Amino acid sequence: LAKTTQPISMDSYEGQEVNITCSHNNIATNDYITWYQQFPSQGPRFIIQGYKTKVTNEVASLFIPADRKSSTLSLPRVSLSDTAVYYCLVGDSYNNAGNMLTFGGGTRLMVKP
Amino acid sequence: GAVVSQHPSWVICKSGTSVKIECRSLDFQATTMFWYRQFPKQSLMLMATSNEGSKATYEQGVEKDKFLINHASLTLSTLTVTSAHPEDSSFYICSASNRNSPLHFGNGTRLTVT
Repeated sequence: LAKTTQPISMDSYEGQEVNITCSHNNIATNDYITWYQQFPSQGPRFIIQGYKTKVTNEVASLFIPADRKSSTLSLPRVSLSDTAVYYCLVGDSYNNAGNMLTFGGGTRLMVKP
Repeated sequence: GAVVSQHPSWVICKSGTSVKIECRSLDFQATTMFWYRQFPKQSLMLMATSNEGSKATYEQGVEKDKFLINHASLTLSTLTVTSAHPEDSSFYICSASNRNSPLHFGNGTRLTVT
């Protein structure tokens, strides 16, 4: 089971780029990396998923180095509404029905005006 | 994209009563659904894995007779908290999976037992 380690919290200001790094030293060959965002009293919301190199969508980018033992979620030009907890999960299939069942502590991002 | 609907969004019940929470996958068939519990300021803790047509698999420390899970169809799983007590008050979240998309979560149910 690939365990993930993230910073407990981060602060940023509106308009800045935020990079949250997750360590997953025991990632397996078949594991994908997925990031979720959670607001208070809501379920986690899918942000982005990747296997290697770089993935970009309309809200974020995900950078994965060649050894895949870490990954970095990049949020461009954050706003106050990006204040949330961000979770990095590692799983063994695209549908994440395998080992991606365990949530780590997540990173609490606070965006200030 | 894949949508998971959870109902109710909040419920208050008296100690000793039972509460049922529904989790539906609205636009896809979910072969597997998961139930999580989350206490304030903490991460999500997996309670059980539910596969359509078979018995749920419970995580260690989760009482299967207290948290009854039924996954009778590919679009619906229910969690029943039986004989609820104040310590069962928590935020319960379901998620659903199929072969073609990442895991998607419901919006959670806030249970308060008085």
